[in-house]
Amino acid sequence: AQSVAQPEDQVNVAEGNPLTVKCTYSVSGNPYLFWYVQYPNRGLQFLLKYITGDNLVKGSYGFEAEFNKSQTSFHLKKPSALVSDSALYFCAVRDPSGAGSYQLTFGKGTKLSVIP
Amino acid sequence: DTAVSQTPKYLVTQMGNDKSIKCEQNLGHDTMYWYKQDSKKFLKIMFSYNNKELIINETVPNRFSPKSPDKAHLNLHINSLELGDSAVYFCASSQAPGELFFGEGSRLTVL
Repeated sequence: AQSVAQPEDQVNVAEGNPLTVKCTYSVSGNPYLFWYVQYPNRGLQFLLKYITGDNLVKGSYGFEAEFNKSQTSFHLKKPSALVSDSALYFCAVRDPSGAGSYQLTFGKGTKLSVIP
Repeated sequence: DTAVSQTPKYLVTQMGNDKSIKCEQNLGHDTMYWYKQDSKKFLKIMFSYNNKELIINETVPNRFSPKSPDKAHLNLHINSLELGDSAVYFCASSQAPGELFFGEGSRLTVL
């Protein structure tokens, strides 16, 4: 079974500082990994994905994420945080093999607060 | 023009009632989903349809019944509502694996 862990319920960062939101995963095959963002009272929005290739993937709003196979991690990063980045961030994994190949499993979410 | 639209946005109802949530996507996607987000913001997939065919049916009470009349629509009907059904229900669609487009959610409150 595939699973995702987001070890931090909340991350606080000062505006202009770099931010990292952590994610680790567990799948039986090669993972497809995703980050989504949810603003208050809104649906989730896709940020970026890793399927294969370069371990550093770039996404929307200046976000990027680094895939690390040995550490089974896919941390979300941004060089300079904005107050408008404050939101709930979800990591998700899809195992493209086996019965769960259609299924996207989400982590429990990390609330990012960017302090002015 | 909204890509994935759900109606209604809010439902407040009594225990034991039946309610439906409708979802439509105008993206031409083949796959649609229903997710439930609880009060702790935890997201859990309920159902997925691909070209009107049910492909994911998670451990959800039989009181929940999805229906896909065509690939642009996926509705969710809930019978005999219980307090624990209170949540935000999100519809989503996708074409590329894992890249989901979500609706704005339907907040169900059961009293």
